[in-house]
Amino acid sequence: AQKVTQAQTEISVVEKEDVTLDCVYETRDTTYYLFWYKQPPSGELVFLIRRNSFDEQNEISGRYSWNFQKSTSSFNFTITASQVVDSAVYFCALSDITSGTYKYIFGTGTRLKVLA
Amino acid sequence: DGGITQSPKYLFRKEGQNVTLSCEQNLNHDAMYWYRQDPGQGLRLIYYSQIVNDFQKGDIAEGYSVSREKKESFPLTVTSAQKNPTAFYLCASSMSSTNEKLFFGSGTQLSVL
Repeated sequence: AQKVTQAQTEISVVEKEDVTLDCVYETRDTTYYLFWYKQPPSGELVFLIRRNSFDEQNEISGRYSWNFQKSTSSFNFTITASQVVDSAVYFCALSDITSGTYKYIFGTGTRLKVLA
Repeated sequence: DGGITQSPKYLFRKEGQNVTLSCEQNLNHDAMYWYRQDPGQGLRLIYYSQIVNDFQKGDIAEGYSVSREKKESFPLTVTSAQKNPTAFYLCASSMSSTNEKLFFGSGTQLSVL
């Protein structure tokens, strides 16, 4: 069965610290997609990144970077020099294509609090 | 601006009452989804629709119903059969159902009186 685990329920850091959010997934598919979304206090989830299972290159976008490792089934997200505006709940998600339709399986989220 | 509009932002349901949550998108997306979010839990799929006039049950469809008569609209009805409806409901859409990123609305908080 497909599953996404975000073991860190809540993380608090002081502004300008680096922080890594962990995501571990389980799937029997050889082709799958992984996603990260940010949910600020307003409630709307915002897409951050999508990565397919064939692309293990790390990605960097400004202060954000992602480390995808198939060997450990992990897709971790690092924020460098965190800012108060980064405070939000972050969700990791996996696309499920085993049924012939495409459903997304979400982790339980990690609440990040960045303190000034 | 293109996006997804959910209304109302807050909704209160009396026992035995059906209520309908609205979701409208102007992104010309084929696929639309309804998720339920409970505190400390991830998003759970209620229903999804890949095309107009067609929809499928998600993981927690019991007590809910949907319709997809127009491409832009995917309303969710929470029926009286849903015994624990208090939650945050999120509507989403994607260009197709093929692993595209999801666009989300701002959600509806449903509470029971």
